[in-house]
Amino acid sequence: DAGVTQSPTHLIKTRGQQVTLRCSPKSGHDTVSWYQQALGQGPQFIFQYYEEEERQRGNFPDRFSGHQFPNYSSELNVNALLLGDSALYLCASSATGNTIYFGEGSWLTVV
Amino acid sequence: GQQVMQIPQYQHVQEGEDFTTYCNSSTTLSNIQWYKQRPGGHPVFLIQLVKSGEVKKQKRLTFQFGEAKKNSSLHITATQTTDVGTYFCALQYSSASKIIFGSGTRLSIRP
Repeated sequence: DAGVTQSPTHLIKTRGQQVTLRCSPKSGHDTVSWYQQALGQGPQFIFQYYEEEERQRGNFPDRFSGHQFPNYSSELNVNALLLGDSALYLCASSATGNTIYFGEGSWLTVV
Repeated sequence: GQQVMQIPQYQHVQEGEDFTTYCNSSTTLSNIQWYKQRPGGHPVFLIQLVKSGEVKKQKRLTFQFGEAKKNSSLHITATQTTDVGTYFCALQYSSASKIIFGSGTRLSIRP
């Protein structure tokens, strides 16, 4: 049983570019959340998807958008990248009300 | 607004010494979760506390939830080098609300 898988694991982008990160939830999980973790800080909630809709959103600008597909996998898109967007992006999945499981993350560096 | 404070930020102990991290909320919580993140890794779920005054143990780890459901602690007895990492509390103000992470306590150990 695969856990939460994320791709890519590492990537480097230039300021102003756009990036798409992908997440496949753990089998049986229908809820996907995305977090941004800057170096030395705790994960910051970006948004959560359930039944292909954004259910909750944290304090992130509209440059951050997402999508959930019918198979529960999810994408995080960030437009007009800024240097400050450099971070570890974590995907977490859960079945409603149960333990959340994190993927290993995608390390994004913006230069 | 809802705030979470986790202290201390860092703790460096001799192997075999005890370690405690504290998490405090300005608002009554629905539940609190604890995670461990090894250097270079992703957060791994340790436990969830739901009931007022709840105490749970996992081997050398003891987790407590305050009577007012506004604070929690994680205590490790007789630390080992495998305990190295950052410990995060994660709060929910209702069962359906987003999960808010504390800033973490980074534990390092002198062998």
